[in-house]
Amino acid sequence: DTGVSQDPRHKITKRGQNVTFRCDPISEHNRLYWYRQTLGQGPEFLTYFQNEAQLEKSRLLSDRFSAERPKGSFSTLEIQRTEQGDSAMYLCASSPVQGSYEQYFGPGTRLTVT
Amino acid sequence: KQEVTQIPAALSVPEGENLVLNCSFTDSAIYNLQWFRQDPGKGLTSLLLIQSSQREQTSGRLNASLDKSSGRSTLYIAASQPGDSATYLCAVMNPPPWGNQFYFGTGTSLTVIP
Repeated sequence: DTGVSQDPRHKITKRGQNVTFRCDPISEHNRLYWYRQTLGQGPEFLTYFQNEAQLEKSRLLSDRFSAERPKGSFSTLEIQRTEQGDSAMYLCASSPVQGSYEQYFGPGTRLTVT
Repeated sequence: KQEVTQIPAALSVPEGENLVLNCSFTDSAIYNLQWFRQDPGKGLTSLLLIQSSQREQTSGRLNASLDKSSGRSTLYIAASQPGDSATYLCAVMNPPPWGNQFYFGTGTSLTVIP
């Protein structure tokens, strides 16, 4: 069990640029989640996949955000035309489809928009 | 919508002291509750998960309890150590099929003074 991994760990970009983050969940986990966390706050839910199907999206996920999980394994989160308000930690988590739905989090990607 | 509150927001204790962190939630119809630890700039580490049918869970010096009817959970840390210094987050999940995300509190920042 190698845990949930995320890449990159840090990203600095200029306002208006597009960025893409990758998440590799624990291999046998069917469920994958994206959260966003700003300084001093708890994580806020963005979106959820079961296998390759995106089953739920938060209203926080504006039209500039898109997430995919094409083969039900890794997932990408893309932000288009970044704004300074997008600066945050983006966290990915996975859980097995059966049982307690315990979520295992990755190390996060820290995005800074200048 | 589920709202999660954690009190206190910050706590400072001398090494060796026992302490209690509090978490309350507005909708008692939860599926599970999970406590996490987060070190500065890092992802979340799962500490304990309590399913709705359980009253408590223990791991080492940690004990988490759940009182669904009153919408409360506590995390008890025995014989605190400087290495316990971190932010502690609690999160609740609603029952499936609506339970596709965790609702997080804003955390308690713990400092253990040597």
